[in-house]
Amino acid sequence: DADVTQTPRNRITKTGKRIMLECSQTKGHDRMYWYRQDPGLGLRLIYYSFDVKDINKGEISDGYSVSRQAQAKFSLSLESAIPNQTALYFCATQLGQGATGELFFGEGSRLTVL
Amino acid sequence: AQSVTQLGSHVSVSEGALVLLRCNYSSSVPPYLFWYVQYPNQGLQLLLKYTTGATLVKGINGFEAEFKKSETSFHLTKPSAHMSDAAEYFCAVKNGYSGGGADGLTFGKGTHLIIQP
Repeated sequence: DADVTQTPRNRITKTGKRIMLECSQTKGHDRMYWYRQDPGLGLRLIYYSFDVKDINKGEISDGYSVSRQAQAKFSLSLESAIPNQTALYFCATQLGQGATGELFFGEGSRLTVL
Repeated sequence: AQSVTQLGSHVSVSEGALVLLRCNYSSSVPPYLFWYVQYPNQGLQLLLKYTTGATLVKGINGFEAEFKKSETSFHLTKPSAHMSDAAEYFCAVKNGYSGGGADGLTFGKGTHLIIQP
């Protein structure tokens, strides 16, 4: 089983709908991240969390929200999806303070907003 | 703030030829540098990383990279390309989190490696 699991893997939705992408991990890592990947733009950081009480905005947080339900679970929500949020979304984990910074990625959630 | 520039969005090499993917970085702190690979329909997998110590680092699948501070570079190489190396490659630098800066990694825009038979 994958250490970092994302659901759903693929989702097609319509403009204005609320969408939640879920991430769970079995690595026991404290830090979790949501990135967005667009062709030609690489990965950009949306939100990150150091623990259940510590949520931080990343580079492109507008239009997104997150919830850290437990150490192992970190969800990304789009309250009202729009077409330019069509992208591949990745959840990642990191061991924590003092670590090298290496991120461990899930397999991605491909979201299409029509 | 950290940034990463990958020269060439697409690189094409013949099978058996040298692979060279270029990465330059900007960092306000001593950099920790990474190369990740993404195969189609998969997540990102770590190829190698530089933190401290030896500037030539070896990774999986025969790849290696050399940290050159004077050139602010961390280019990825492989002596002989294989068809299975076809993928997207990302260079990344650790963010220097310090009382307000973002955590995580800053990624380059990626280089798509094409292997010609």
